[in-house]
Amino acid sequence: GESVGLHLPTLSVQEGDNSIINCAYSNSASDYFIWYKQESGKGPQFIIDIRSNMDKRQGQRVTVLLNKTVKHLSLQIAATQPGDSAVYFCADSGYNFNKFYFGSGTKLNVKP
Amino acid sequence: DGGITQSPKYLFRKEGQNVTLSCEQNLNHDAMYWYRQDPGQGLRLIYYSQIVNDFQKGDIAEGYSVSREKKESFPLTVTSAQKNPTAFYLCASSMGRRLATDTQYFGPGTRLTVL
Repeated sequence: GESVGLHLPTLSVQEGDNSIINCAYSNSASDYFIWYKQESGKGPQFIIDIRSNMDKRQGQRVTVLLNKTVKHLSLQIAATQPGDSAVYFCADSGYNFNKFYFGSGTKLNVKP
Repeated sequence: DGGITQSPKYLFRKEGQNVTLSCEQNLNHDAMYWYRQDPGQGLRLIYYSQIVNDFQKGDIAEGYSVSREKKESFPLTVTSAQKNPTAFYLCASSMGRRLATDTQYFGPGTRLTVL
């Protein structure tokens, strides 16, 4: 997948709106999933995680949804703020937890 | 203040030089990792260590070397054999020893540029 830098899909939202960022994964055996936020020039920051025995998990202003049938993960951010502007990417645990696979990043642009 | 530190933040290297990137963690995590991040690509695993005095190659280990003499420290050396070393390097750690059963927490990164 792609990450910070060139050719990233971009999602532009208005401040206060809700944001939905999507991620597709390829390994049907993946059991553990993480969303990270990465600001420009910084290391990725853990946002929220979910295991395959759940289909939804909520945090503070964030919700992760897991659809194992179509191998799809989404991150919902409520009342998006300018400080949410960053690249967001997902990671899945692959087969037998052998390593993490980092998905394509999405750049979130929050307009004031 | 617990966390992962990396130094330096920026590093410039001349061709033919070896350079070492530092990674320290005070989270008491067993496992540590090195990733490389390039524009347009996802994170790629260079090396990982699940326990002191042991480490394993990741997907792109050629031209890199590591050591794990202490639980807290996992330095990465980028050797002159690495053909395209310019990238953003990220160190991570996790509590468990299996690679993808626990959350990996990342350091702030080191940007290496070859002159």
